[in-house]
Amino acid sequence: DAKTTQPNSMESNEEEPVHLPCNHSTISGTDYIHWYRQLPSQGPEYVIHGLTSNVNNRMASLAIAEDRKSSTLILHRATLRDAAVYYCILRAGGSRDDKIIFGKGTRLHILP
Amino acid sequence: DTAVSQTPKYLVTQMGNDKSIKCEQNLGHDTMYWYKQDSKKFLKIMFSYNNKELIINETVPNRFSPKSPDKAHLNLHINSLELGDSAVYFCASSPYRGQNTEAFFGQGTRLTVV
Repeated sequence: DAKTTQPNSMESNEEEPVHLPCNHSTISGTDYIHWYRQLPSQGPEYVIHGLTSNVNNRMASLAIAEDRKSSTLILHRATLRDAAVYYCILRAGGSRDDKIIFGKGTRLHILP
Repeated sequence: DTAVSQTPKYLVTQMGNDKSIKCEQNLGHDTMYWYKQDSKKFLKIMFSYNNKELIINETVPNRFSPKSPDKAHLNLHINSLELGDSAVYFCASSPYRGQNTEAFFGQGTRLTVV
């Protein structure tokens, strides 16, 4: 499965936007880019996913580079509740598509 | 109203015992999963079922046996528990198979083997 690279940790101030980067230089044409997050002592939570175009939902925005080798998860206005580990995941097409393979993720700290 | 519910939330048991963790989803989803999160916080897929059919079995010891009585339930039975089985186990479900869909996770079951 194609691999993603994320910073181990990031900090941001409360009420400011947060841009979480993810590199996936070996992405294939049918791989979807997914983001999940895991708040302390909770199960992973779906955030957003996309294929080629930028995506917006109530939680975040996903900006995908034109060559698809990188993407950025954007939290428009961080709150303390957004402190979590954020996982950037590629989901492959074909028979391997039933797995969500989690990496180490980025631990996001929000400063009050 | 919980979408994916697991029971119990905590489980403490002795080595050698057999235990089960239950998972139910009320979302009408076709696909369900079991994941294990170890002490280093790595999340690893164990099993995936689609409409009660086993799809993925990821190099898990055969002491672990999933059972899906219907597509809303995926239970995990563990025989002869070992210390290394201590972890948080998460159940999840997706509407259908495929990469263009999201998964919903339960709150986890913290298993401690003593």
